[in-house]
Amino acid sequence: AQSVTQLDSQVPVFEEAPVELRCNYSSSVSVYLFWYVQYPNQGLQLLLKYLSGSTLVKGINGFEAEFNKSQTSFHLRKPSVHISDTAEYFCAVSETGTASKLTFGTGTRLQVTL
Amino acid sequence: NAGVMQNPRHLVRRRGQEARLRCSPMKGHSHVYWYRQLPEEGLKFMVYLQKENIIDESGMPKERFSAEFPKEGPSILRIQQVVRGDSAAYFCASSPLGQAGQPQHFGDGTRLSIL
Repeated sequence: AQSVTQLDSQVPVFEEAPVELRCNYSSSVSVYLFWYVQYPNQGLQLLLKYLSGSTLVKGINGFEAEFNKSQTSFHLRKPSVHISDTAEYFCAVSETGTASKLTFGTGTRLQVTL
Repeated sequence: NAGVMQNPRHLVRRRGQEARLRCSPMKGHSHVYWYRQLPEEGLKFMVYLQKENIIDESGMPKERFSAEFPKEGPSILRIQQVVRGDSAAYFCASSPLGQAGQPQHFGDGTRLSIL
């Protein structure tokens, strides 16, 4: 079984400032890692994923994340946020080698203000 | 390219009624997943289906909930005798293959409200 922890339920940040959204996971088996974004009243949109290879992955909208196996973390970062980045962000994992159901964290609400 | 289509977007039911939620996967996708999102929480996996088969229903409540994905037509999540605690957003996702690591494409969800 896996679990995902997003310690920050809300992150307020000013426009053009950098941001990091934290994600830690727990699993007894190897996992793949994902970040999704959810805008109000919409479904989830994939930002980026880590399957293997380089631990730094780049996604859409200028976001990137770094996989750290020793710390079991997959933090999401963006060097300069925009108002339009205001949304809910979910970290998720799935087991490698099996059907790909996702286990989600509870989400982090990113609030960008002027 | 049409994405994952869910309908209705909003559904209101009284306690004891039945709720039927529909999901049409993306074109070419034969694997469907249902998730439930309770207020202020993340999404919880419910069931994973392939055409005419339930692959994993480990997240489905034991009673009142059922899901199907027939050979023709959309996937249906059915909730019988709804209760207030069933109020949530229900999301469907699809992928072309049921392989770990494949990204799932999500619909906009059905928001179920129980009066």
